[in-house]
Amino acid sequence: DADVTQTPRNRITKTGKRIMLECSQTKGHDRMYWYRQDPGLGLRLIYYSFDVKDINKGEISDGYSVSRQAQAKFSLSLESAIPNQTALYFCATSDLGRGGLDTQYFGPGTRLTVL
Amino acid sequence: KQEVTQIPAALSVPEGENLVLNCSFTDSAIYNLQWFRQDPGKGLTSLLLIQSSQREQTSGRLNASLDKSSGRSTLYIAASQPGDSATYLCAVSSSGYALNFGKGTSLLVTP
Repeated sequence: DADVTQTPRNRITKTGKRIMLECSQTKGHDRMYWYRQDPGLGLRLIYYSFDVKDINKGEISDGYSVSRQAQAKFSLSLESAIPNQTALYFCATSDLGRGGLDTQYFGPGTRLTVL
Repeated sequence: KQEVTQIPAALSVPEGENLVLNCSFTDSAIYNLQWFRQDPGKGLTSLLLIQSSQREQTSGRLNASLDKSSGRSTLYIAASQPGDSATYLCAVSSSGYALNFGKGTSLLVTP
């Protein structure tokens, strides 16, 4: 089974709808992240969480909110979706291991289309 | 703000060739640099991570180097295979956690 899972994998919705993307991990990592990927722009950080009580905004948090329900679960919500939020969304996890390494492990992505 | 650039944007090589992908970054104060592989419709797979104190890392046919002072990293792929076809992403950590990504190099290895 995959260590980092995302649901749904694909979603088409309409402008103004509320959407939640979910991420679960079995790696036991404390740190979780949400990124979006747009053609020609690369991946950009939306939110990150160091533990259940520590949530922080990333580079492009406007229009998004998150919830860290447990160490293993981190959800991303679009309260009122708009077309320019159409993108590929990735969840990632990491942990500060020995030597301070912080390799990030990514889920398979959620392709979101907002009409 | 850390800017990460990858050159070339796309590359096509015949099977068996050795190749080099380039990554440059504007702020040399980094914690680490990571190379990822992305296959169409799939997530990112971490290939190599180089800490700021290291100069290179190797895994199989892959070798990544880091020259922090000049703001450059290279990913060397030896004896390329069609299965190496993918997009390769370079990402830099300037904060110890958040990654700044380049736009990637799309590699096609032809049989």
